[in-house]
Amino acid sequence: GENVEQHPSTLSVQEGDSAVIKCTYSDSASNYFPWYKQELGKRPQLIIDIRSNVGEKKDQRIAVTLNKTAKHFSLHITETQPEDSAVYFCAASIVYGQNFVFGPGTRLSVLP
Amino acid sequence: DGGITQSPKYLFRKEGQNVTLSCEQNLNHDAMYWYRQDPGQGLRLIYYSQIVNDFQKGDIAEGYSVSREKKESFPLTVTSAQKNPTAFYLCASIGRANTEAFFGQGTRLTVV
Repeated sequence: GENVEQHPSTLSVQEGDSAVIKCTYSDSASNYFPWYKQELGKRPQLIIDIRSNVGEKKDQRIAVTLNKTAKHFSLHITETQPEDSAVYFCAASIVYGQNFVFGPGTRLSVLP
Repeated sequence: DGGITQSPKYLFRKEGQNVTLSCEQNLNHDAMYWYRQDPGQGLRLIYYSQIVNDFQKGDIAEGYSVSREKKESFPLTVTSAQKNPTAFYLCASIGRANTEAFFGQGTRLTVV
């Protein structure tokens, strides 16, 4: 089955700097890769996703890149702000397939 | 609120008691999942169900039980066999396309 790894487990950056979180997956059939943000005490919510027919997707300060050959995808946050502090989860799935596997999460702290 | 509801939000259990956490969705999703989250940790899969009357163990199923008698409902019972049940429990549902996962607001279970 699918296995998703995520690095780093914790990340601290200064406000205004960029943050990058990387995930790798094992199942080459996976073709959908979302990212979720979980603020303290709240539910995870989708912030951006990418499908395997696209190499990069951007939404304001966040972007996701996908390298299908290497089986890894990354979340990039630019101009970080204190409200970006949260736990971020990546996931991998097969569209119209079964199972939806999350990575272990990265705790991002944006320092003022 | 997001079409998936967990109750209660906070639950206290005495040692040796079974408790049941409720998860209801009105999104017409086939797949439902239960995750456990410990402080500062990621999501660990307890049980999942792809269809009514069928469910599968996840990575940490020991001490838990589930049922899926209706498409809308996937209750989780934390039994007395679960030695360390204090945690934050999240329920999620996923549609047939196996893309976005919608999470409930979570139940925080504390053993007293």
